[in-house]
Amino acid sequence: GQQLNQSPQSMFIQEGEDVSMNCTSSSIFNTWLWYKQDPGEGPVLLIALYKAGELTSNGRLTAQFGITRKDSFLNISASIPSDVGIYFCAGQDSGYALNFGKGTSLLVTP
Amino acid sequence: GAGVSQTPSNKVTEKGKYVELRCDPISGHTALYWYRQSLGQGPEFLIYFQGTGAADDSGLPNDRFFAVRPEGSVSTLKIQRTERGDSAVYLCASSPSGGDSEQFFGPGTRLTVL
Repeated sequence: GQQLNQSPQSMFIQEGEDVSMNCTSSSIFNTWLWYKQDPGEGPVLLIALYKAGELTSNGRLTAQFGITRKDSFLNISASIPSDVGIYFCAGQDSGYALNFGKGTSLLVTP
Repeated sequence: GAGVSQTPSNKVTEKGKYVELRCDPISGHTALYWYRQSLGQGPEFLIYFQGTGAADDSGLPNDRFFAVRPEGSVSTLKIQRTERGDSAVYLCASSPSGGDSEQFFGPGTRLTVL
């Protein structure tokens, strides 16, 4: 599969702070997705983006599909302790297989 | 309703042994996927089923890996002559149809090959 570069690798923040993470690819994707994975669980879809330039929100989460179709970012506003987990970006081309980044580990202190 | 379930949750085996990992998808989902997640990495695609047939098995690493879905519901991932490098979490996902419909993941089976 294609390699996705996700950064930062980890973040350690205080409750209430905003968080930003991004993902880049050498290949074009038709769909960008952001997942959250808790320990011992499978990834859970947070936001799906289907069109270049699209900006989509889901509560405190906002994600954008880059104009070049080779990048995406995820912002979390006013973080809370339950935001702790590993966040993955994933790109999907004309097929169905998801190509995941290596993840961003988020730790939130009260 | 019930999500994707996978059994066993943990499997420890010895090098050279054969293992089977089971996935029960969400009822009515025609598409089923297997991914492998190594420590500190994102999931990597292994195989995709549409109904009973493997539509794409290009992610299977070698011929020791095989998967079936004989009745278009439950799927079994089979690994022969396991190697230590096969140790990982094996995730199953299902979706209502193929294409870009949302994939719902199970909790995974953690395989450890000693």
